[in-house]
Formats: sequence, C-alpha cells, structure tokens
Amino acid sequence: DGGITQSPKYLFRKEGQNVTLSCEQNLNHDAMYWYRQDPGQGLRLIYYSQIVNDFQKGDIAEGYSVSREKKESFPLTVTSAQKNPTAFYLCASSLRQGGYEQYFGPGTRLTVT
Amino acid sequence: AQRVTQPEKLLSVFKGAPVELKCNYSYSGSPELFWYVQYSRQRLQLLLRHISRESIKGFTADLNKGETSFHLKKPFAQEEDSAMYYCALNYGGSQGNLIFGKGTKLSVKP
Repeated sequence: DGGITQSPKYLFRKEGQNVTLSCEQNLNHDAMYWYRQDPGQGLRLIYYSQIVNDFQKGDIAEGYSVSREKKESFPLTVTSAQKNPTAFYLCASSLRQGGYEQYFGPGTRLTVT
Repeated sequence: AQRVTQPEKLLSVFKGAPVELKCNYSYSGSPELFWYVQYSRQRLQLLLRHISRESIKGFTADLNKGETSFHLKKPFAQEEDSAMYYCALNYGGSQGNLIFGKGTKLSVKP
C-alpha cells in the first residue's frame, strides 16, 4: 500500500512537553512538507525538505523542529516554545520541490492542555 | 508579497446549479496555480492545475493574468462535489513552495 502515513491520528500532551509527530512516505519523493491547518486559516507551511539531510524553515517555523535523516521520513517536533501548539498537522510529499503535485497524509490532531 | 485570496468561506448551491469558487492571487512572478480539494473524511488531494488545462470531475479553471484570478467553475453541481476547496499558488518556480488560500466550503443541496 503506497502513500504517505502520519501517526498518531490524535495526540494529547501537557503544556511544556515536547512532542514528535511522525510522517513516512514510500512514494520515493524527494520533497516533504509540514503544514499547520487551523480553522479559517487554510494551510500554513512550517518546514520543508528538498532532499535528505536538508530542510528549510517555512512561514511559521518558530517553536518547531524537524529532521530528514532518511528519504522516507520527516518527523516534526512541536517544542514547548510553540505558543499555540493545538492544531491539525498535515504532512505532504512531492516528487520534487516546485510545481509538482503534493500528496497529503491523513493528518495528526494535536491537543495541548 | 505573494498572497492567495478566497473571498467566500462558504458557498451553498442547489444540485444542478452552476458553481464558481473564486480565487485571486498576488504575485509578481509567473504564477503556477492549483486547486486542491478535501472531501469529508478524505485526504487533501489535487483537483487540477492551470498548466494542464484539463477538466476534472466537470470542473475547469482558467488563469486570468489580467484579473489575477483562477476561479473554479462547474456548470452543474452535484451533491458529491460538497467539500472544502483550496486554491494554491506555487511561487518561486522550481524552488518554490505552495501558498494556500483559506479555503471555501462548498455545500451542494439536493
């Protein structure tokens, strides 16, 4: 079964704790992305990676960190520095960066209390 | 700065009626525009892109550079078209990323 997977579907954390969201793809895509989706806000880019061992900040990177040690994996860590971490997080991948179709995962809903 | 505007949060039409979801963009370079759709309990997926100039599920969208618009149209809406629709702009060419509009929820009533 090919595609892009995210886990877990729902995640609950206490304020002050870091939490890592998983994103895996078996599409052999070079580029991967993390978006945050808030009601009425559309999707906002957190981080992106064009290739293994390289990643760049998106529009709202503060309070987040990522790694890209393997082509298939692009985990996102929401740190305690993120002021409003409760949100729906979407991971996506594309063959390459630029105008290629992005394939999205099912998302992870993070709730921090 | 680049921007994508979808002026309607919600659009409600009756089955069989024409539908137009508006999208305007602001970008000084050569734009690449897309429509993504999210059906209930499904993943966000690409619907169409302006480069391909094709019709998908009866939807079309024409890039109008003069009006900086990329409106999505369908002559006869179906109930299964009910979904969240996002317009997106790729800025920066081969090194670019997508910027999304805030989305329009389309509701097609029977």
